Amino acid sequence: AQSVAQPEDQVNVAEGNPLTVKCTYSVSGNPYLFWYVQYPNRGLQFLLKYITGDNLVKGSYGFEAEFNKSQTSFHLKKPSALVSDSALYFCAVREMAGGGNKLTFGTGTQLKVEL
Amino acid sequence: NAGVTQTPKFRVLKTGQSMTLLCAQDMNHEYMYWYRQDPGMGLRLIHYSVGEGTTAKGEVPDGYNVSRLKKQNFLLGLESAAPSQTSVYFCASSYPSDRGDLYEQYFGPGTRLTVT
Repeated sequence: AQSVAQPEDQVNVAEGNPLTVKCTYSVSGNPYLFWYVQYPNRGLQFLLKYITGDNLVKGSYGFEAEFNKSQTSFHLKKPSALVSDSALYFCAVREMAGGGNKLTFGTGTQLKVEL
Repeated sequence: NAGVTQTPKFRVLKTGQSMTLLCAQDMNHEYMYWYRQDPGMGLRLIHYSVGEGTTAKGEVPDGYNVSRLKKQNFLLGLESAAPSQTSVYFCASSYPSDRGDLYEQYFGPGTRLTVT
């Protein structure tokens, strides 16, 4: 079965500094990977996805993610963090068996951007 | 477009009571999903549907039932609520698998349920 791991419960970064939120995956076959963001008391918002092609994927709000097949990683990055980026971030992988476009989510990483 | 909406936003139940959560989407998506979110556990899939009149079990289906009588609606029912069902419930929808690479799911705002 596929899975994703987010090794950090919380990441703290100063505003203006680059940020990285880590995600590693385990799947059989080629992975379809996603990042979502959740602001307090809101639903999840889609940020970006990797299906195939270029290993660097660009998404909403200036975020990007780098797919690394050899390291089975899909880390979320942003060159310059904003206080407004503070939120809960989830990595997810599409389940390849059984249909239904089902996603398996990681446990989430709380990002805190401080002045 | 309203996207995905959920009703109600908050609810408090006593153990043994029943309730139904309503999810509606106006994006003409074929697939719909119900998740629960608990601290430190991410989102876990309860049930999902790949089309009107069809439903299937997810990772944590026990204690829940669902129905998809209309394409745009997906109902989640709790027949006899238990404290372990205290959670935040999210509905989501997506295009089917044969729509190119449009695999992402779109989420509603959530329902916060407390069972006492």
